[in-house]
Amino acid sequence: KAGVTQTPRYLIKTRGQQVTLSCSPISGHRSVSWYQQTPGQGLQFLFEYFSETQRNKGNFPGRFSGRQFSNSRSEMNVSTLELGDSALYLCASSGVGAGKSPLHFGNGTRLTVT
Amino acid sequence: GDSVTQMEGPVTLSEEAFLTINCTYTATGYPSLFWYVQYPGEGLQLLLKATKADDKGSNKGFEATYRKETTSFHLEKGSVQVSDSAVYFCALNLQLSGGSNYKLTFGKGTLLTVNP
Repeated sequence: KAGVTQTPRYLIKTRGQQVTLSCSPISGHRSVSWYQQTPGQGLQFLFEYFSETQRNKGNFPGRFSGRQFSNSRSEMNVSTLELGDSALYLCASSGVGAGKSPLHFGNGTRLTVT
Repeated sequence: GDSVTQMEGPVTLSEEAFLTINCTYTATGYPSLFWYVQYPGEGLQLLLKATKADDKGSNKGFEATYRKETTSFHLEKGSVQVSDSAVYFCALNLQLSGGSNYKLTFGKGTLLTVNP
C-alpha cells in the first residue's frame, strides 16, 4: 500500500508570493491533517479535513487555507508569504478520523521563504 | 490547556546504553498517548501508543507505560542502536465532548543520537 505522498519535496519562494502544497493520502483514508514543523515551535496543527469538510482548525492566520477533493487528496495554500512561514509542512492521513486512529505522515514539503 | 512536556534534548548515548525520554502531560480528560519517531528527512511514524491508564505500549524494543497518577508516559529502551538515532515526539490525543472533535497535541521533540 502506498504511503502518504507530498509534493513537491522542496520549494523556494519570495516574500509576498503564494504557494500551494499537495498531499495524497493512503488509499481509503478520508482524513487529512496538516502540520507546520519549525525548530522553535515544534509541530503545530494547521487543520484537518474529512470527506471534503474542514473539521478542525489550529491557530493560524487566514493566509493559511486548505481544501480536500472528492478523492481525499488535499491541498494547502499559503498566501502573502512571510519569512516566518519557512518550515517543513507535514501532511498526515488516517482512516476514520485523526481523533480515532493513528496518523500516517508523509515526508513533508520543505518551504523556504526568502 | 492541554499540553505535553518532554525532556529537552539533545540526548547522546553510546550503542547498547539504556534510554529514557521523559514525557509528562496535562489534560482535562482521558487522553490516548503516543510516541512518534522522525528519522532524518522523513515524516513522523507511530512508534507506540496506549489508550488508557496502566496500558503499556511497546514496539521495536521501546516501551512506555501510561501512568495516570503521575501523568507520565516515559519512553524507554534497554539497549539502543545507532539506527535509533532520530527525533522522538510524545503526543496526546483527547476526544472532546461528543462527535468527532478531537485535539492532538505534540511535545517539542527530543533528538537522540546514538554513537557506535
